[in-house]
Amino acid sequence: GQQLNQSPQSMFIQEGEDVSMNCTSSSIFNTWLWYKQDPGEGPVLLIALYKAGELTSNGRLTAQFGITRKDSFLNISASIPSDVGIYFCAGITGTASKLTFGTGTRLQVTL
Amino acid sequence: DAGVIQSPRHEVTEMGQEVTLRCKPISGHDYLFWYRQTMMRGLELLIYFNNNVPIDDSGMPEDRFSAKMPNASFSTLKIQPSEPRDSAVYFCASSGTGYQPQHFGDGTRLSIL
Repeated sequence: GQQLNQSPQSMFIQEGEDVSMNCTSSSIFNTWLWYKQDPGEGPVLLIALYKAGELTSNGRLTAQFGITRKDSFLNISASIPSDVGIYFCAGITGTASKLTFGTGTRLQVTL
Repeated sequence: DAGVIQSPRHEVTEMGQEVTLRCKPISGHDYLFWYRQTMMRGLELLIYFNNNVPIDDSGMPEDRFSAKMPNASFSTLKIQPSEPRDSAVYFCASSGTGYQPQHFGDGTRLSIL
């Protein structure tokens, strides 16, 4: 099925550094979501974006819904070891809540 | 509040056996989704229900897979007969109406030997 293009695929950063990842699509989405998945667990919702141009924060996390409605980015400030995991973007378009997922960004944080 | 509950958490069985995965969605959610996650293909939507009715099963791999939702608080995903290529993590998720985000269970890790 269709997937969103997410980059980078993986990141190795030092504790305290800021992180930025993004998601792009050739299609328009009405809602953008960012999830984090820890090993052995299901994806957990971090941030939901509902309007083009919307900028939303959740603690050290900030995400934006692109003006064109075809992209979104997620920033993590002052990374800590528990930020390790896989981050997925997801978009909703059309009917129901059917999600299209990004390919994921694997984040590793070193001390 | 209880989240989405899946069982079992792990399942190991031999090829040809029937496998049944179970899901209890968040109370009050109208939509229920079944996903499969593998390294090669990422998260794939298999089927989703709205108010217990299957809406889109285009992601179901083949006739060996079936899903039911007999009531608002329970759904099953069945594989019969199972094959090694069915080995994956299967997630259930639920959401409220419209464009509300989906909330995921912790998944069932399925290994078919």
